[in-house]
Amino acid sequence: QVQLQESGPGLVKPSQTLSLTCTVSGASISSGSYFWSWIRQPAGKGLEWIGRLYTSGSTNYNPSLKSRVTISLDTSKNQLSLILSFMTAADTAVYYCARSFGHGETFDYWGQGTLVTVSS
Amino acid sequence: QSALTQPASVSGSPGQSITISCTGTTSDVGGYNYVSWYQQHPGKAPKLMIYDVSKWPSGVSSRFSGSKSGNTASLTVSGLQAEDEADYYCSSYTSSSTLVFGGGTKLTVL
Repeated sequence: QVQLQESGPGLVKPSQTLSLTCTVSGASISSGSYFWSWIRQPAGKGLEWIGRLYTSGSTNYNPSLKSRVTISLDTSKNQLSLILSFMTAADTAVYYCARSFGHGETFDYWGQGTLVTVSS
Repeated sequence: QSALTQPASVSGSPGQSITISCTGTTSDVGGYNYVSWYQQHPGKAPKLMIYDVSKWPSGVSSRFSGSKSGNTASLTVSGLQAEDEADYYCSSYTSSSTLVFGGGTKLTVL
């Protein structure tokens, strides 16, 4: 059974950089035809796709966040990471990591999500 | 990229059927058969219900079905049950090799 678990700081100050990690168990992040993505959801609002990384290493990002986002893999630890710079209150949300297949739009496994609050 | 358009809310009585629409453009929904639907209960991660417009993942009830016409995809839930009450989101692959979600629809079972 594939499991994903997000971890990182629950509180970030404005203008700082967020760093989140997603630890994957039950599957290797470096094999298979899968994408590994980050998605976020502000409280009471809808889902927003942040970006994804294919097992080949290629990435795609949401155009609205592209200048601030980096997604990478640590194959030695079987982890996915998210770096989001210049955080503002608008970035306060639950952040999910997820695995997808096909053209990357079909998310079959999700983490439980981690709440990140941006506040001074 | 703009979010796909979904109705904010729909409702139905137990046993009835409801349909949730998801409208995009020729650059996303209308251009590809890569539309997925997710169910999200409060405080939980989304769950995949339909993918590639009309395919069922293993373990998902056939009471949930998907279709597409032009730039609009639809999710139909038949034989409504109390546990179907949740938020539902559509998503689509886009011509920019990105992904876009719908704004979400709250399904209320009366």
